Amino acid sequence: DAGVIQSPRHEVTEMGQEVTLRCKPISGHNSLFWYRQTMMRGLELLIYFNNNVPIDDSGMPEDRFSAKMPNASFSTLKIQPSEPRDSAVYFCASGDWEDYGYTFGSGTRLTVV
Amino acid sequence: AQTVTQSQPEMSVQEAETVTLSCTYDTSESDYYLFWYKQPPSRQMILVIRQEAYKQQNATENRFSVNFQKAAKSFSLKISDSQLGDAAMYFCAYETSGSRLTFGEGTQLTVNP
Repeated sequence: DAGVIQSPRHEVTEMGQEVTLRCKPISGHNSLFWYRQTMMRGLELLIYFNNNVPIDDSGMPEDRFSAKMPNASFSTLKIQPSEPRDSAVYFCASGDWEDYGYTFGSGTRLTVV
Repeated sequence: AQTVTQSQPEMSVQEAETVTLSCTYDTSESDYYLFWYKQPPSRQMILVIRQEAYKQQNATENRFSVNFQKAAKSFSLKISDSQLGDAAMYFCAYETSGSRLTFGEGTQLTVNP
């Protein structure tokens, strides 16, 4: 198994632009999580899905952020419009809802200038 | 809300020596899971070890073992025979059925040759 695949690995964009981060979870996993990591706030859970349905999006910072999971093998996290304070590493992780502990992707480092 | 606290921002150890990283947590739940994740400079989040709260026996994975003190809400990680490749940021994390992974602030471990 190739693990959780995230793309792109790095993204540099200008303030105001739309950014889309992508994630392919491990086949067979039924839960998917988006985390954000910053020096100031550490690792924060943004949103998670179970069987492609959003369960809790209370961690999503504001309306500029949206996440979708159209099928079991793909999810996106979109920021529109992006701001410099959105600069962070964004992780996707997948797991089995009946189990505990997840497998993380390699993350996307987002820089908004 | 559950919280996870790692009181040691940085630790160092000599190669081949033993080091213990501390973690405490706060919860009112009786059934939960605890984890240690490792994040090397590559930024990949790697699951090191996990402990089920209902199990009294401390988990062990090769050179990594935990000291789980449920009453004290303490969950420390011991790394024996430290290797240069163990150098990384280590995160303690908590999870229960009602909430997903909550991470501590992290401990940066340096291994000196």
